[in-house]
Amino acid sequence: ILNVEQSPQSLHVQEGDSTNFTCSFPSSNFYALHWYRWETAKSPEALFVMTLNGDEKKKGRISATLNTKEGYSYLYIKGSQPEDSATYLCAPNNAGNMLTFGGGTRLMVKP
Amino acid sequence: DSGVTQTPKHLITATGQRVTLRCSPRSGDLSVYWYQQSLDQGLQFLIQYYNGEERAKGNILERFSAQQFPDLHSELNLSSLELGDSALYFCASSVAGSGRNGELFFGEGSRLTVL
Repeated sequence: ILNVEQSPQSLHVQEGDSTNFTCSFPSSNFYALHWYRWETAKSPEALFVMTLNGDEKKKGRISATLNTKEGYSYLYIKGSQPEDSATYLCAPNNAGNMLTFGGGTRLMVKP
Repeated sequence: DSGVTQTPKHLITATGQRVTLRCSPRSGDLSVYWYQQSLDQGLQFLIQYYNGEERAKGNILERFSAQQFPDLHSELNLSSLELGDSALYFCASSVAGSGRNGELFFGEGSRLTVL
């Protein structure tokens, strides 16, 4: 079982603020890193799948970077909106077959 | 709508009983994954099947078993249920066998309550 840490556990920001969170994972045997967005009462939805060191992915106001050598990924949200309120999960795949989910960062954006 | 269908959505049963949760993956997806989310816990990986064969196993109790059928739907069987088995059970599917590059598509979950 991989040790996947996400920080912070929760975050309250004002509408319009930009924010970022961290996902730390073991760097050995790295295959891929997934980010998911999980809204309350819904199911997780994929944001990004990243595989290469130095990868940067962007979807609208959300972007992510990946450092496989040191075992971390950052997720950035620019100009947060209330609809961005959700739990953001990262999940590395270090064994080829298994995604291990972190505990998530719960983001709450106040209007 | 992710295209992954899970039934039942809600299930209430008593300790010691046995239940079966069912999952139909997205059309074309060969891999099915089962995850458990207990109160205040993250998503815990239980088991993965690829095209009918077990591919990876996580923290799945011996009282739990799963299988994937030729039509690719999967069932998770939970027996001798205990109070601590109360949780939200998610099924997810992917095209790829390992989730290495392919994103997972999650069903809406089956909420199990053991009384």
